[in-house]
Amino acid sequence: DTGVSQNPRHKITKRGQNVTFRCDPISEHNRLYWYRQTLGQGPEFLTYFQNEAQLEKSRLLSDRFSAERPKGSFSTLEIQRTEQGDSAMYLCASSKQDRDSYEQYFGPGTRLTVT
Amino acid sequence: LAKTTQPISMDSYEGQEVNITCSHNNIATNDYITWYQQFPSQGPRFIIQGYKTKVTNEVASLFIPADRKSSTLSLPRVSLSDTAVYYCLVGDGGGGSYIPTFGRGTSLIVHP
Repeated sequence: DTGVSQNPRHKITKRGQNVTFRCDPISEHNRLYWYRQTLGQGPEFLTYFQNEAQLEKSRLLSDRFSAERPKGSFSTLEIQRTEQGDSAMYLCASSKQDRDSYEQYFGPGTRLTVT
Repeated sequence: LAKTTQPISMDSYEGQEVNITCSHNNIATNDYITWYQQFPSQGPRFIIQGYKTKVTNEVASLFIPADRKSSTLSLPRVSLSDTAVYYCLVGDGGGGSYIPTFGRGTSLIVHP
């Protein structure tokens, strides 16, 4: 078990550019979550996959954000036409579907800075 | 979505027991209560989860009264390394629709 990995760890981009982040969950986990976190705030839910199906998406999520999990393994989060307000830590988490457990395993995050 | 309320910050000293209480007045019948710990520049880490009464593991205890409108995370004999932000979450993952809502958490500072 190597844990959840995220790449890149840091990304600096100019406003208006597109960026893509990757998350590799723990191999036997079928659930995958994306969050965004800004300084002093808790992680904010963005979207959630069960296997390759995107089951939930935050209503606050702009159309510029899109996520995929094509084969039910790794996932990508793309932000188009980045804005300075998109600067944040983007966290990925995975879990095993279990009716009685909500334990999510988080990756180290990708810190995005939009200049 | 069940909303949670926690103190913004707490201070303690090494060796003391710390209790952090979370209010969740509109918790639903199927909701579980989960606590996470987060250090700066790291993702949150699961601590403990419960539904009712008391749950204990190697790092913490979780106390849930009968009405389940609140829960208390108890950290025995804290050390400097327990300085972190602690989040309480309430939700039901069994039905497939689960939107974890973290809130701002409680910033715990442990002093020497």
